[in-house]
Amino acid sequence: GAVVSQHPSRVICKSGTSVKIECRSLDFQATTMFWYRQFPKQSLMLMATSNEGSKATYEQGVEKDKFLINHASLTLSTLTVTSAHPEDSSFYICSATGQANYGYTFGSGTRLTVV
Amino acid sequence: AQSVTQPDIHITVSEGASLELRCNYSYGATPYLFWYVQSPGQGLQLLLKYFSGDTLVQGIKGFEAEFKRSQSSFNLRKPSVHWSDAAEYFCAVGASNTGKLIFGQGTTLQVKP
Repeated sequence: GAVVSQHPSRVICKSGTSVKIECRSLDFQATTMFWYRQFPKQSLMLMATSNEGSKATYEQGVEKDKFLINHASLTLSTLTVTSAHPEDSSFYICSATGQANYGYTFGSGTRLTVV
Repeated sequence: AQSVTQPDIHITVSEGASLELRCNYSYGATPYLFWYVQSPGQGLQLLLKYFSGDTLVQGIKGFEAEFKRSQSSFNLRKPSVHWSDAAEYFCAVGASNTGKLIFGQGTTLQVKP
């Protein structure tokens, strides 16, 4: 089945630094990847949609300069949280879908803690 | 606008009892509907999905869901709950034009021994 690998699973960084999270589709070509943010005890909030080779489309209220998304290949998308602050601490999850079917596969998530 | 409502924030059932988690959606066209389960600190696992065809969908772990267009619902059911089913459950609707998934608020399932 379709597998999406997300790394790192946990990261702690200092305030003001940048953190990169990777999302890889291991056995299929992901034409579209989605990045979500999840606060404790809450649902997933879509941050942005990225299509391979195109600029990401950000949801309203999401700062594109704060959350840089790159989807340079059909198997890799990255989310970089720039100049991280404690309020950026959250659980970030990616999902990917390919052309073969209308299905989504989720990564295992990244717990970001900014101290 | 598309939306998904899961009316029950928290449900507690006894092990071995039946389960039904409710999901109502609002979507202009034929929806693509999903149920996902999430364990603490983990990503989402797909339980089942509905695109078209038979309105009763079978999924993994003994779950099933029924699409009822007249009620705009896609309720998840399981005849006998196991302690390992305790988790967070999310219903989602997929927008066919954008491919985006819109999630409900989630339902926390607690299983009593």
